[in-house]
Amino acid sequence: EAQVTQNPRYLITVTGKKLTVTCSQNMNHEYMSWYRQDPGLGLRQIYYSMNVEVTDKGDVPEGYKVSRKEKRNFPLILESPSPNQTSLYFCASSPQPYPGGNEQFFGPGTRLTVL
Amino acid sequence: TQLLEQSPQFLSIQEGENLTVYCNSSSVFSSLQWYRQEPGEGPVLLVTVVTGGEVKKLKRLTFQFGDARKDSSLHITAAQPGDTGLYLCAGEIRGGLTFGKGTHLIIQP
Repeated sequence: EAQVTQNPRYLITVTGKKLTVTCSQNMNHEYMSWYRQDPGLGLRQIYYSMNVEVTDKGDVPEGYKVSRKEKRNFPLILESPSPNQTSLYFCASSPQPYPGGNEQFFGPGTRLTVL
Repeated sequence: TQLLEQSPQFLSIQEGENLTVYCNSSSVFSSLQWYRQEPGEGPVLLVTVVTGGEVKKLKRLTFQFGDARKDSSLHITAAQPGDTGLYLCAGEIRGGLTFGKGTHLIIQP
């Protein structure tokens, strides 16, 4: 089944403890991205990648890192999480190396709580 | 500053009524997309509009792209409880994708 998977789905952690949220797609998509969704602020892009080894900052990249070593995987790394990174995170992928006009396929989301 | 402004933010209407949701910007977009998101799930694409003035229909949903490609609207005819959800518009900006804050729509039986 064509899909975007994220792990974990739920995570409660403490301030400063490094964590990684994995994202994987099996559709051979070029474009992958991470979003966070917060009440009143909507869906905001954190980082995106147009191809392997090519990543770029979105609207809210501070406090996050990403890597794209393989086409299918795009992990989100929080080196030192803080409470303001408590949010619902979505990974998405798209067939072409640019998002405009191309359907974004979203993962099921990861709910992160940083205490 | 929000590049894509959606209105209204919240809308609660009775089953059978019509409604329109707006997505406005001061920027020109090569295309705009509309997504629908249900609680606990990721957004799902409804439609992509590309040409200024374009109108697309998806059953009871009608999507329009403004002539100047700065705005779009979603009109729902005879709304049903199954239309309840969060509706999001999105456009590409310099390789990234920006979303509006969304319209929370509740259709009451």
